[in-house]
Amino acid sequence: GAGVSQSPSNKVTEKGKDVELRCDPISGHTALYWYRQRLGQGLEFLIYFQGNSAPDKSGLPSDRFSAERTGESVSTLTIQRTQQEDSAVYLCASSLARENTIYFGEGSWLTVV
Amino acid sequence: GQQVMQIPQYQHVQEGEDFTTYCNSSTTLSNIQWYKQRPGGHPVFLIQLVKSGEVKKQKRLTFQFGEAKKNSSLHITATQTTDVGTYFCAGYGYSGAGSYQLTFGKGTKLSVIP
Repeated sequence: GAGVSQSPSNKVTEKGKDVELRCDPISGHTALYWYRQRLGQGLEFLIYFQGNSAPDKSGLPSDRFSAERTGESVSTLTIQRTQQEDSAVYLCASSLARENTIYFGEGSWLTVV
Repeated sequence: GQQVMQIPQYQHVQEGEDFTTYCNSSTTLSNIQWYKQRPGGHPVFLIQLVKSGEVKKQKRLTFQFGEAKKNSSLHITATQTTDVGTYFCAGYGYSGAGSYQLTFGKGTKLSVIP
């Protein structure tokens, strides 16, 4: 596609439920990032995928968070047993390589009630 | 690991005044990128600086990369209400253990009073 596509754009879930967020990067982009941004805050790095290399998971805040990527295409971010502090916008971004410009999706706004 | 500090966190200016945000890295960078996030939107790429001492201009925006490639600044001349948003720097550099990473600053939120 023309840009990074994320779904759902908005998600309201009950505390304790699992959620899955999807990201479809720009075609040909080998690098893919997930960031979390709480309201009025900065970008919190979560995880980075580069081609077939082992992902950099150093930003995942707890073992409730996991992410997968199928080759160089779609990625899913899963949050298990959601907590209210998980409420944030989850931004996906992709780039040709790690040192290149990254392009962000519109984000998935998650609200845990 | 690599850290990128950005100041100020907030800046309120009268329309027509100038604005500057500063970015400092704990390590030497290969490149630095700047992004703008409008309220309710997602970050959008503005520019990338690669060379030591590099200066680039985009209309009223001037970007500088320090000689040591550890700091950078974004200066906006004669701010307009359309400049409102949060400006992020992102430094790409060696983070140790044979790996490089892209690290974002916490951003500077600019408000422009008409």
